[in-house]
Amino acid sequence: QKEVEQNSGPLSVPEGAIASLNCTYSDRGSQSFFWYRQYSGKSPELIMSIYSNGDKEDGRFTAQLNKASQYVSLLIRDSQPSDSATYLCAVSEAGGSYIPTFGRGTSLIVHP
Amino acid sequence: NAGVMQNPRHLVRRRGQEARLRCSPMKGHSHVYWYRQLPEEGLKFMVYLQKENIIDESGMPKERFSAEFPKEGPSILRIQQVVRGDSAAYFCASSRSDSAFEQYFGPGTRLTVT
Repeated sequence: QKEVEQNSGPLSVPEGAIASLNCTYSDRGSQSFFWYRQYSGKSPELIMSIYSNGDKEDGRFTAQLNKASQYVSLLIRDSQPSDSATYLCAVSEAGGSYIPTFGRGTSLIVHP
Repeated sequence: NAGVMQNPRHLVRRRGQEARLRCSPMKGHSHVYWYRQLPEEGLKFMVYLQKENIIDESGMPKERFSAEFPKEGPSILRIQQVVRGDSAAYFCASSRSDSAFEQYFGPGTRLTVT
């Protein structure tokens, strides 16, 4: 069974700091990796996707992928209180039916 | 609004009634996925559909639940004879056929069974 593991948190960081969110996955055939942000009572919002090893930057967000270690992370620079949310990691394999497996999410709290 | 649309946003049903949840995918998207999320739990995949086809329903309960995505109109998730355990948020997501990896979610339907 494919598994995606995330620390449930909460991860608490001060405003302006770097928040580091981590995710590990069990299926070595995984090829596509996503980070979603979900505010309480709202739907998940896609914020980053990454497909190859290394870093991918988009504004204050950086996704890091290490397929050898089966590890993907999300860094949020200059964290703001508005970043407080649950961050979901999702992983899918190439050539399949493109159904991602979601982790249970990490709760991030950015305090002023 | 070019995003994924779901209605109703909130639905209250008594035990034994039927619930119908609708989802219109984002413009240009032909793949629809339904997920269920219980409080304090993760997203659970239910079913994956393309127009007029169910591609994968491995996450859907065998009884009382069904889904369709007709040639015309929205995708519908139907729950017959609802029970209290069906109370949850139901999310629909859609993706493009040439970039099927990236899914975009609708606002969800909050189903409450009384």
